[in-house]
Amino acid sequence: QQQVKQSPQSLIVQKGGISIINCAYENTAFDYFPWYQQFPGKGPALLIAIRPDVSEKKEGRFTISFNKSAKQFSLHIMDSQPGDSATYFCAALHTGRRALTFGSGTRLQVQP
Amino acid sequence: GAVVSQHPSWVICKSGTSVKIECRSLDFQATTMFWYRQFPKQSLMLMATSNEGSKATYEQGVEKDKFLINHASLTLSTLTVTSAHPEDSSFYICSARGLHNSGNTIYFGEGSWLTVV
Repeated sequence: QQQVKQSPQSLIVQKGGISIINCAYENTAFDYFPWYQQFPGKGPALLIAIRPDVSEKKEGRFTISFNKSAKQFSLHIMDSQPGDSATYFCAALHTGRRALTFGSGTRLQVQP
Repeated sequence: GAVVSQHPSWVICKSGTSVKIECRSLDFQATTMFWYRQFPKQSLMLMATSNEGSKATYEQGVEKDKFLINHASLTLSTLTVTSAHPEDSSFYICSARGLHNSGNTIYFGEGSWLTVV
């Protein structure tokens, strides 16, 4: 059972464009939602995270939008750059187990 | 941000042998460490959760006798793949959560590539 559903599987964006990745969850026991960026052969790096009592969080070019009632959250990358080309994972932290459950990942390619 | 180091970065071992992967938190004390496995072009799958000084909690379907996890100190956890087989070849990643923050931020190591031949 996939607890965190992520889409799209892959995304191609032109340089300067906006990249949007969406995630949805079912388990209401999740209380923290980070996004990770992973380059090939490397471990995931924390990009930005949000708590469910906040509807939006922005850090530089990265913004998380959170819809608690719909149990959905998304990552927006503004002014996308070729260096942003990587795989992005959304995740959710279980309030009890305190372990992360990951989405299936989105492979982003930003074309110059 | 906090640093989590894994060693070795990559290892090749013969089928039937055991291999140990270390995970260290370099600048914070990690009360909890997590081990993930990631196959090529797939997501990270949680294998087990370990708390310092106690036995690891394994996810359903993960063989505890095959994947031995030790979290003997607040800065070190080890994963030993025993009697490794080619199907164990994967990217193993550890992560850690420490005392230095609210407990939500989890930092990941750089991963360890295991190839069993």
